[in-house]
Amino acid sequence: AQSVTQLDSQVPVFEEAPVELRCNYSSSVSVYLFWYVQYPNQGLQLLLKYLSGSTLVESINGFEAEFNKSQTSFHLRKPSVHISDTAEYFCAVSDRDSSASKIIFGSGTRLSIRP
Amino acid sequence: GAVVSQHPSRVICKSGTSVKIECRSLDFQATTMFWYRQFPKQSLMLMATSNEGSKATYEQGVEKDKFLINHASLTLSTLTVTSAHPEDSSFYICSPRTSGIDTQYFGPGTRLTVL
Repeated sequence: AQSVTQLDSQVPVFEEAPVELRCNYSSSVSVYLFWYVQYPNQGLQLLLKYLSGSTLVESINGFEAEFNKSQTSFHLRKPSVHISDTAEYFCAVSDRDSSASKIIFGSGTRLSIRP
Repeated sequence: GAVVSQHPSRVICKSGTSVKIECRSLDFQATTMFWYRQFPKQSLMLMATSNEGSKATYEQGVEKDKFLINHASLTLSTLTVTSAHPEDSSFYICSPRTSGIDTQYFGPGTRLTVL
């Protein structure tokens, strides 16, 4: 079984500052990794994903995450945040070896941007 | 991108009544449907998985007789909360998948409040 740990429940940062949201996972098999974003009063949206290939993946709005197998991490980073990045961010993992794999979510990190 | 709708977006009901939530994939066919529940300030917890035309598989601790899932077609799935109680108040999210893990999408959610 897989599990995801997001150690930071809240991360406050100033606008234009860099941010890192931490994510560690546990699994006995190979995994797919995801970051989802949930803006206030909206549904979940896929931000970026690691399926295979390059361990560094990027989103269209400047976020990136790097899959580190040895550290079992998939931290999310952005060099300069905007007010519009205020949201809840969920790291998620799925078993890549099963056709019936389920996406398991972390507890979420609330990113609040201060002007 | 793929469009998923849920209806209703919000529902308030009295304790003891049943509530049906519809989930539709508007521009793709969902071979598998996942239903999640999200309590305030918590992560998404998988409730059940269903394949079109088959009975749903429920996660441990989720009562199958209380949360009835129907996946009668490739574009429609329903979740019925039977004899709802205040502790069932939550945010319910459907998540249809077409084929692989990277083709799983999320509905906007339904907020259920049981008085």
